Amino acid sequence: GENVEQHPSTLSVQEGDSAVIKCTYSDSASNYFPWYKQELGKGPQLIIDIRSNVGEKKDQRIAVTLNKTAKHFSLHITETQPEDSAVYFCAASLGGSARQLTFGSGTQLTVLP
Amino acid sequence: SQTIHQWPATLVQPVGSPLSLECTVEGTSNPNLYWYRQAAGRGLQLLFYSVGIGQISSEVPQNLSASRPQDRQFILSSKKLLLSDSGFYLCALRVLGIPEGGYTFGSGTRLTVV
Repeated sequence: GENVEQHPSTLSVQEGDSAVIKCTYSDSASNYFPWYKQELGKGPQLIIDIRSNVGEKKDQRIAVTLNKTAKHFSLHITETQPEDSAVYFCAASLGGSARQLTFGSGTQLTVLP
Repeated sequence: SQTIHQWPATLVQPVGSPLSLECTVEGTSNPNLYWYRQAAGRGLQLLFYSVGIGQISSEVPQNLSASRPQDRQFILSSKKLLLSDSGFYLCALRVLGIPEGGYTFGSGTRLTVV
């Protein structure tokens, strides 16, 4: 099955700096890659996603890039703010009747004021 | 848009007691439904998923079970809780379509077994 690895597990940045989280996946058939943000005590929320026919997608301060050849994708957050502090999960989707997402292990991002 | 309701938000149960967590969905029909658990640390462990009424697939053998008695209702149960069942339980839905979308998660239930 699919395997998703996520790095780093923890990341601290100064407010205003950029943060980058990287994920690799194992199955070249995966074609959908969402990113989730989980604040303390809450369920994960989808913040951005990318499909395999696109190399990059941007939404204000958040961007995701996908390299299908290398099977890796990354989340980029620019001009970080304290409210960006949370756990971030990447995921990959394989085809199939259950259409499950395989999640990375998460990155705890801390933005220092 | 679809919404997902999960309750209770927190629960403290003694070892050996039964468990029933409920998840209901609004705004969509025939979604895929999932139960996840987050134990110590941050990882999301898939416990069960359902592609339709009465259809349950188990990912991890344990003393938990799941049922889907209605299209928009997904229940996580246990007859006798163990200390190791403590964790943050999340229900999620996925609406299949073209293009495919991601999961929508509920707000979670923090279960502490004492």
